[in-house]
Amino acid sequence: DTAVSQTPKYLVTQMGNDKSIKCEQNLGHDTMYWYKQDSKKFLKIMFSYNNKELIINETVPNRFSPKSPDKAHLNLHINSLELGDSAVYFCASSQAGGTGGADTQYFGPGTRLTVL
Amino acid sequence: QQQVKQSPQSLIVQKGGIPIINCAYENTAFDYFPWYQQFPGKGPALLIAIRPDVSEKKEGRFTISFNKSAKQFSLHIMDSQPGDSATYFCAAVNAGNNRKLIWGLGTSLAVNP
Repeated sequence: DTAVSQTPKYLVTQMGNDKSIKCEQNLGHDTMYWYKQDSKKFLKIMFSYNNKELIINETVPNRFSPKSPDKAHLNLHINSLELGDSAVYFCASSQAGGTGGADTQYFGPGTRLTVL
Repeated sequence: QQQVKQSPQSLIVQKGGIPIINCAYENTAFDYFPWYQQFPGKGPALLIAIRPDVSEKKEGRFTISFNKSAKQFSLHIMDSQPGDSATYFCAAVNAGNNRKLIWGLGTSLAVNP
């Protein structure tokens, strides 16, 4: 029944490793997002996909690569992990286009990434 | 450059108090202003939202006041409860940029019993 789900919930890894975080939404939404939330709670948009097409690509190191196999899934792959990548990563989804309620973003529970 | 400026960064009130969180913006392309609530260990969730053609919106104990000419909006929580303790984010949607959501930096609210 979970609307937006992410796996894993916790991820602890060594510097230099490559890891992936998976996200799935069952809301039928067209748009999905990845956010990074640092220790100060600031929410930074990283990427947004609409119907599998990349529409927002913020200033993010190219070690981060999103992949959307279909509009219900948006995965995040991170290469050569660094200490500064430690954060909580949130996936979110929303309905495409329109105004008002269509802009509501529904967030997953987050993945806490710790790089040692 | 923070396009949506939120204050205060943190706020402590007693139960029954009325915490007020303020946000200001510059970009007139913003056309939708939501507030999100985030509990520890959870993702943010939409709390209440307003469009710039109204000056106030109320849902239960939560009220948004919107001042279009001043480009400011605020969240008021009436009769606050310890269960309201959370981080609150204001945001704005940019009509001209893929409807990108621009976030404030967040306010950590603690309601003491």
